[in-house]
Formats: sequence, structure tokens, C-alpha cells
Amino acid sequence: GAVVSQHPSWVICKSGTSVKIECRSLDFQATTMFWYRQFPKQSLMLMATSNEGSKATYEQGVEKDKFLINHASLTLSTLTVTSAHPEDSSFYICSASFTVSYEQYFGPGTRLTVT
Amino acid sequence: GQQLNQSPQSMFIQEGEDVSMNCTSSSIFNTWLWYKQDPGEGPVLLIALYKAGELTSNGRLTAQFGITRKDSFLNISASIPSDVGIYFCAGPGRDDKIIFGKGTRLHILP
Repeated sequence: GAVVSQHPSWVICKSGTSVKIECRSLDFQATTMFWYRQFPKQSLMLMATSNEGSKATYEQGVEKDKFLINHASLTLSTLTVTSAHPEDSSFYICSASFTVSYEQYFGPGTRLTVT
Repeated sequence: GQQLNQSPQSMFIQEGEDVSMNCTSSSIFNTWLWYKQDPGEGPVLLIALYKAGELTSNGRLTAQFGITRKDSFLNISASIPSDVGIYFCAGPGRDDKIIFGKGTRLHILP
């Protein structure tokens, strides 16, 4: 149980275009979803926290107009990287939680490369 | 800000050896989480600890919640090749957001 999927698993796009990444909880309803970014050989960096039906809470330094998050249902959250640039290239990982505990269940990640 | 310090940063061991790693903090944590991340994948929750002194096992993995609430340990017995990866400890910080350590990279020598 507690399976989270992400789509796509990898994407290559041209500079200036936008990319949408989907995160789905497959076998549970996620009260909260999280979006992380991970650079090579580094730990996870929290970008934003989202609850279904409300606006996402962004971490300091994360541009909300560049990284648009929509949490339309209890099983789906999307991250759109708008006007992507090469420096946005990274590994983006979502996670979801469904209990009052702190346990988060992660998706497999999306590798974004902006050329 | 709050930080979780993981030690060692990396380990090179022989297959079959036991592994020990730890996670420490300068502040008290009420929950400790241990995750494993394979290359190119998302982290997978291994063990969650909720009480000081708690010792919990998951197969060959055993984790302990330190009695001071400022540390946690993860042990892997009889390591196998699929144990290779990065092990992260994590816990809720003062604002309830999960903080991750920088990870311990486990390598198994051929």
C-alpha cells in the first residue's frame, strides 16, 4: 500500500517552454502532497506543500509563479515548471501523506532536462 | 536552523558485513524516519520510530530511537548487493516540516 506515481519519469524540453509533472497517490487519499527538488549527490530540498483544494505553501526562495502547483483532488497534484531554463534541470520528486503522522510516501521522481 | 547530521557520509563494505549508521541533531525530535533511495528513484520509507528507546526491525534492518531524542541509529545485518543506495534519516522540525539529513551512501565492494 501507499503507492505514489509520477509522470513523466523523464522529460527533455527546450528553454522557454513549460513542463507539467503529475503526482498521483494510487491506493490512498493524500491529505497533503509535497514537492521536492534534488540536485546530484545532495539531499532533498522541499519546494512546496499542498493540501487539496487550497493554495500551495512555498518554501523561502522558491518562485511560486515559476513553479505552479495545483492540488485538484485527494489523489492528484501537478507541478508546472513555467518558462523553463537550463538551471531548472533537476530531479523533481513528489510525496504524499495520508495520516496524521509524519510519514511521507515518495513517487519515483521526474528527471527534467532543459536544453 | 535545525539540521540532521548523518554519519558516515559514505561507507564501503564487503558483502555479508553488518552496517551501522547514525543520525544526530542538536534539538529533540519526536519522530525519526529512515528512508532508502536507489539511484534515479524516489526514497522509500524503511522504518518509522515514534518513542524514545524504541527499537524496530524491518527484515535485516533495525533502527533505534535514541533515549536522548537527539539521535537515531540504523543497522543492516548481512549486507547484500541490493542494499547499495543512499540512506536518509528525517524528522519533523520545529515548524512540523520534515527535515532530511544529507544521507549515508552505502557501497558494496565486489
